[in-house]
Amino acid sequence: SAVISQKPSRDICQRGTSLTIQCQVDSQVTMMFWYRQQPGQSLTLIATANQGSEATYESGFVIDKFPISRPNLTFSTLTVSNMSPEDSSIYLCSAQAGNTEAFFGQGTRLTVV
Amino acid sequence: AQSVTQLDSQVPVFEEAPVELRCNYSSSVSVYLFWYVQYPNQGLQLLLKYLSGSTLVKGINGFEAEFNKSQTSFHLRKPSVHISDTAEYFCAVSALGSKLTFGTGTRLQVTL
Repeated sequence: SAVISQKPSRDICQRGTSLTIQCQVDSQVTMMFWYRQQPGQSLTLIATANQGSEATYESGFVIDKFPISRPNLTFSTLTVSNMSPEDSSIYLCSAQAGNTEAFFGQGTRLTVV
Repeated sequence: AQSVTQLDSQVPVFEEAPVELRCNYSSSVSVYLFWYVQYPNQGLQLLLKYLSGSTLVKGINGFEAEFNKSQTSFHLRKPSVHISDTAEYFCAVSALGSKLTFGTGTRLQVTL
């Protein structure tokens, strides 16, 4: 299994600002993902973080709004840019080693005011 | 592409009663199946997984699930629930080696 550390665990931000969320895995993993979970909802995949190249975004998500970095096999960041109250959500980092299950961080609870 | 349907958004149950949370999936290729649990203000924790082999899979906290290929189902069961099982449960599917697709979740509410 993999242990994922995500920070910050929560934040309250002013609209128009940006927040960068960090995700650290305790072992090398092949795939890392970023999800959004709005209150009372399921998980929506934002993008796949690719090591050494641009992230692969899902429909409805764009790089300008959610820039992602993955400089190595154990670390990734997600930035939520130019935030609005609609961006208030839980953001979850996930990692998969090989072809099996995904492991999750504890999430970042973001409130935009 | 794969999809997952969790038929029940909420399941209320009394403590020590049995429970079944339903999950159906759709895929044109072979898949792996998973159940995750999310406690309040927490990330997701893997309960159990089906990759291959025996269709009855046992997981943590006394949960089990049965893979039924003909009915494309992967229902989660527990013979006797506890208050501490109150949480959100997500069924997920992945085509071999790809990203997970999640269902909409089932809220299990256990009461005395």
